[in-house]
Amino acid sequence: DAGVIQSPRHEVTEMGQEVTLRCKPISGHNSLFWYRQTMMRGLELLIYFNNNVPIDDSGMPEDRFSAKMPNASFSTLKIQPSEPRDSAVYFCASVQDLVTGELFFGEGSRLTVL
Amino acid sequence: TQLLEQSPQFLSIQEGENLTVYCNSSSVFSSLQWYRQEPGEGPVLLVTVVTGGEVKKLKRLTFQFGDARKDSSLHITAAQPGDTGLYLCAGDTGNQFYFGTGTSLTVIP
Repeated sequence: DAGVIQSPRHEVTEMGQEVTLRCKPISGHNSLFWYRQTMMRGLELLIYFNNNVPIDDSGMPEDRFSAKMPNASFSTLKIQPSEPRDSAVYFCASVQDLVTGELFFGEGSRLTVL
Repeated sequence: TQLLEQSPQFLSIQEGENLTVYCNSSSVFSSLQWYRQEPGEGPVLLVTVVTGGEVKKLKRLTFQFGDARKDSSLHITAAQPGDTGLYLCAGDTGNQFYFGTGTSLTVIP
């Protein structure tokens, strides 16, 4: 298996633009997580899905952020409009079993908003 | 609010030294995991501890889960430059994984 695949790896955009980050989880994994990592705040959980259904989005910063999982093999995290404070590395992770399961992370999408 | 606090935040040691990283919380977790992250990559799982008081060894790394399942420690013996990285603990509540603040370790040859 290729592991969790994220795209793009790097994105530089201007304030106010829409940003879409993509994730393909490992086949057979039932849960998918979106995290954001910054030096100041560490690794923060934004939202997670179980069987394609959003379970907890309390970590989503504000209405500018939205996430979807239309099927078991694809998820998106969208920021509209983007702001400089959104600059961070965004990770997607999937797990086969939530009980003592192992989180498999993608390589991350580094977002810079100018 | 950070559920899991790690200490120290930064650690720079000489090759061959021993070190301990701590992960503390006021919350009880069904399991606790330790991950290591290298620059430009996502975290990779090192170990999962499930039972209070459990000790697991992975070569030179020793992991311990507190009796009350609220805290954990990672001890590295005879650190090597290859151990350099960001160490993250993660508590599993049964339906979510909360990550600690992280410990950035640098081992100087």
